[in-house]
Amino acid sequence: QKEVEQDPGPLSVPEGAIVSLNCTYSNSAFQYFMWYRQYSRKGPELLMYTYSSGNKEDGRFTAQVDKSSKYISLFIRDSQPSDSATYLCATYNAGNMLTFGGGTRLMVKP
Amino acid sequence: GAVVSQHPSRVICKSGTSVKIECRSLDFQATTMFWYRQFPKQSLMLMATSNEGSKATYEQGVEKDKFLINHASLTLSTLTVTSAHPEDSSFYICSARVREAGEQFFGPGTRLTVL
Repeated sequence: QKEVEQDPGPLSVPEGAIVSLNCTYSNSAFQYFMWYRQYSRKGPELLMYTYSSGNKEDGRFTAQVDKSSKYISLFIRDSQPSDSATYLCATYNAGNMLTFGGGTRLMVKP
Repeated sequence: GAVVSQHPSRVICKSGTSVKIECRSLDFQATTMFWYRQFPKQSLMLMATSNEGSKATYEQGVEKDKFLINHASLTLSTLTVTSAHPEDSSFYICSARVREAGEQFFGPGTRLTVL
C-alpha cells in the first residue's frame, strides 16, 4: 500500500467552480501535511502547510485534515484558468522524508 | 514562501560529457537539500538527500558515482551528472528545508537533454 494515495484525474471544471482535491494516507502517525501546485515544466510550489487536524485557509485555498479518517483535502474557491496545474499532496513519513501522492491534474475551463 | 533557485534552467549536452546543476536557497539557510528527478507525467522521484558538510544519502538504485552531490554551504548544493547518456535526460528538481518536518521549498527545475 502506498503511503499517500491520490486520484490522478484529470479533473475538469468550469471557471468559478469550487474544486475539491483529496488524498488518503496510510499511517495515523503522520502529522504534517502539504499541498503543492506544479505547472508544466516547473518545480512544485508550496501552497499550504498544515499540522495535525483541522482547517487552514489562505485566500481562495482551504486545506483540511481529518486524522480520524486519514483524509486530506484542498478546496479551491472561484477557480480560475490559471489554477490549471497538477496538485500534489504530501506528508512527512516515519523516516522524516517527504512522501507525495501521485498528483491530480486539474483543468479549469474558461 | 522562501525562494530556491536553480541554474541552469535548461541544458543540452553531448553524450559522455558532465553537467553541473546548482541549487541555492536565496533567503534562508537550508540544513537539508534534496534532489529529485521527474519524468513526463510522473511524480517526483527522490534521488538523494544531503546535509551541509556531510556526504549525501542516495536512494536505492541511484548511482552515487554517476550523480555527484556536493552540499558546500547552507545555501548551496550542486548535482553533477557525470558521463551523461541519453537515458539521463530528465527534469531535475532540487528542494530545501530549514528543519526536520518543516516546510520544504522546491526550485524551478533543470531540464537536461543528452544527445
